[in-house]
Amino acid sequence: GAGVSQTPSNKVTEKGKYVELRCDPISGHTALYWYRQSLGQGPEFLIYFQGTGAADDSGLPNDRFFAVRPEGSVSTLKIQRTERGDSAVYLCASSLDPSHEQFFGPGTRLTVL
Amino acid sequence: KQEVTQIPAALSVPEGENLVLNCSFTDSAIYNLQWFRQDPGKGLTSLLLIQSSQREQTSGRLNASLDKSSGRSTLYIAASQPGDSATYLCAVTSDMRFGAGTRLTVKP
Repeated sequence: GAGVSQTPSNKVTEKGKYVELRCDPISGHTALYWYRQSLGQGPEFLIYFQGTGAADDSGLPNDRFFAVRPEGSVSTLKIQRTERGDSAVYLCASSLDPSHEQFFGPGTRLTVL
Repeated sequence: KQEVTQIPAALSVPEGENLVLNCSFTDSAIYNLQWFRQDPGKGLTSLLLIQSSQREQTSGRLNASLDKSSGRSTLYIAASQPGDSATYLCAVTSDMRFGAGTRLTVKP
């Protein structure tokens, strides 16, 4: 079956703009995770959904970041008033539930000019 | 807060050598630990998941062990090949915490 997909693969935007990043998890996976990764670092946790609700959003760096998963499948990470420091690869993962393996998408490379 | 550390940051070995990558974590009350491989510019590929009740998992030339009491996990790669060259990441996935990875180079 299909793996986790993310769109777009690359996004270049200007400082101050709004961006949306999309994640399509593996069908049937109730848990969905967003991470971001900077060069040479491991992924940094942002937010975790169990079904439609955000079970843990403690990793969101500030209120410019918001994520939704309205139907318990596709999720959108939204970043308002982007800053150059938001430039990173944003990774999405899904799992059957938190006790199972996480499977990652290819990521969206965000560049804020 | 869970902290995950991987040592060494980089490792270079000749082809055919057996090697061990190390991962340590600060909070032993983990639910599971997962090892991943990441090729340059790519996403993460899951290698092995170890549940907290397990001590090791094997897949082909890979063997991962878990010692919760000492806060350590190791990934053993047997008979390394140039195609094994990548960054290897460990994660306490139940806490959503990753190490920074070990960049492995296997020289032909």
